[in-house]
Amino acid sequence: SQQGEEDPQALSIQEGENATMNCSYKTSINNLQWYRQNSGRGLVHLILIRSNEREKHSGRLRVTLDTSKKSSSLLITASRAADTASYFCATDPLGAGSYQLTFGKGTKLSVIP
Amino acid sequence: NAGVTQTPKFQVLKTGQSMTLQCAQDMNHEYMSWYRQDPGMGLRLIHYSVGAGITDQGEVPNGYNVSRSTTEDFPLRLLSAAPSQTSVYFCASSYRGRPMRYEQYFGPGTRLTVT
Repeated sequence: SQQGEEDPQALSIQEGENATMNCSYKTSINNLQWYRQNSGRGLVHLILIRSNEREKHSGRLRVTLDTSKKSSSLLITASRAADTASYFCATDPLGAGSYQLTFGKGTKLSVIP
Repeated sequence: NAGVTQTPKFQVLKTGQSMTLQCAQDMNHEYMSWYRQDPGMGLRLIHYSVGAGITDQGEVPNGYNVSRSTTEDFPLRLLSAAPSQTSVYFCASSYRGRPMRYEQYFGPGTRLTVT
């Protein structure tokens, strides 16, 4: 079963705008990761945030985590056409043995030049 | 480093045929896994391995076998292909056996069609 669910399913913005994607999950987690997938390619790791962290930055990416609401958000600032991709959150549900990751269905981001 | 490599890139099978999808990594990673990605379904874990000789089932293991005789290789075998196994298959690896603690490195994928 899917643990994380991204929202929205699809997002279209103009180049230079900010893009925000959300991930909600059902059970308590240890950590949460975000990945990017360009069309026809494998996933690429973007950022990992631990359950005791509230915010993390990496370049133009900002990830927040709210464990009380069981949600995370990924903000891409000053978007570029090259950011066009699908974005997935992955969670590590406590009690699942921590040897498995579960991925959401992804948000498809289109950045229009 | 080549990272995670997968062969073949594309494959068409007839129902009932068997085949092996190959996955190799050159990063000396302990953890390796196989996912399938279907439209609108995200990625679902098929099997994983926390080291040579150790494998376990994921969310959707039926119809697939794996083995891990070396640290580098983690082949996925389809025993008797069915149209429901039409999908894109990804292999991934990470440094140690707790995948959430470490970045997962993904291969480029194998697109499989079963007719």
